[in-house]
Amino acid sequence: QQQVKQSPQSLIVQKGGISIINCAYENTAFDYFPWYQQFPGKGPALLIAIRPDVSEKKEGRFTISFNKSAKQFSLHIMDSQPGDSATYFCAASSSGGSNYKLTFGKGTLLTVNP
Amino acid sequence: NAGVMQNPRHLVRRRGQEARLRCSPMKGHSHVYWYRQLPEEGLKFMVYLQKENIIDESGMPKERFSAEFPKEGPSILRIQQVVRGDSAAYFCASQVAPITDTQYFGPGTRLTVL
Repeated sequence: QQQVKQSPQSLIVQKGGISIINCAYENTAFDYFPWYQQFPGKGPALLIAIRPDVSEKKEGRFTISFNKSAKQFSLHIMDSQPGDSATYFCAASSSGGSNYKLTFGKGTLLTVNP
Repeated sequence: NAGVMQNPRHLVRRRGQEARLRCSPMKGHSHVYWYRQLPEEGLKFMVYLQKENIIDESGMPKERFSAEFPKEGPSILRIQQVVRGDSAAYFCASQVAPITDTQYFGPGTRLTVL
């Protein structure tokens, strides 16, 4: 059972464009939704995260939009740059029980063309 | 402040051998998570440990896999009698405490079973 579904699997965007990656979750106990960026041969690095008490969070060029009723959240990368080319993972966890194990989507390979 | 450290970065084993993967969390972090990443897949939770305690091992295969986080020294993920299906990237992440959500990932150990 895949609890976090991520789309698209791959995405090609021109420099300066907007990259949008979507995720949907099933477990209503999830209350923490981070996005990780991973470059080849490296570990995932936290990009931005959101809790369900807000519908949007922005940090620089990166924005998370969150729709609690639809159980969906998305990552928007404004003014995409070639250096943003990487694999992006959405994830979710539940703080109940003090165990923050993350459930990940399958990832989106983003390519930003110069 | 050094990040999460993992070694070795690459490990090659023949079928039937043992693999030992080490993870040193960030300074001050006493919580460690192990995740496995198969090719073209997202990361999947394996085990959550605190110093000297296994908190959640629901993602660990029942046989051949074990993990520990001793009072002194790194966390160890041990795979006995490796099979080709164990070939994957293994990441650990550390966390200060359950009070905060953020998990910081190491660079991973890429295990290849011949």
